Amino acid sequence: ELKVEQNPLFLSMQEGKNYTIYCNYSTTSDRLYWYRQDPGKSLESLFVLLSNGAVKQEGRLMASLDTKARLSTLHITAAVHDLSATYFCAVDSMNRDDKIIFGKGTRLHILP
Amino acid sequence: DAGVTQSPTHLIKTRGQQVTLRCSPKSGHDTVSWYQQALGQGPQFIFQYYEEEERQRGNFPDRFSGHQFPNYSSELNVNALLLGDSALYLCASSRISVADTQYFGPGTRLTVL
Repeated sequence: ELKVEQNPLFLSMQEGKNYTIYCNYSTTSDRLYWYRQDPGKSLESLFVLLSNGAVKQEGRLMASLDTKARLSTLHITAAVHDLSATYFCAVDSMNRDDKIIFGKGTRLHILP
Repeated sequence: DAGVTQSPTHLIKTRGQQVTLRCSPKSGHDTVSWYQQALGQGPQFIFQYYEEEERQRGNFPDRFSGHQFPNYSSELNVNALLLGDSALYLCASSRISVADTQYFGPGTRLTVL
């Protein structure tokens, strides 16, 4: 059974600092997603990672995928308050018997 | 492009009642997935529909059922509502043939009293 673990689950950091959120998963995967969710809102797609070594960047966020280690990271560079949100990773093995599994989310709070 | 739309936005029901939630996918998308998100938790996959058939299903009881129409829109039905069914229900659409991300709708907030 596919399992997805994120850490940390809660992160409070100062503006201008760098930090990394980790996403580990238990079986081989064809796709890994990162989403952002603001309080009371739906999920906004950030990145989709499809292959080993994939790296994608958008503004202050950069996501990478290591399929051998079954690990994805979401790196935040020089954090700003607007990045405060909950970030989810989700893994899709594309195996019919497996489902799209989300991590529990990392609640990020950036202090001005 | 209207994106993924869901209705209603909010819904209040009592235990034992039945509810139907609706979703229209993003233009060009043929696959619809439904998720349940309890407060403070990550979304949990309920099921996915493609070509009007259930393609995958998560660990949800048979009280949860769905349907996809020829225009790709979808419904989620929940029978015999329990207090624990209170959650945000999210619909996501995608294209089955493309290694693409899912686009989520705004969700329906269901409260069961």
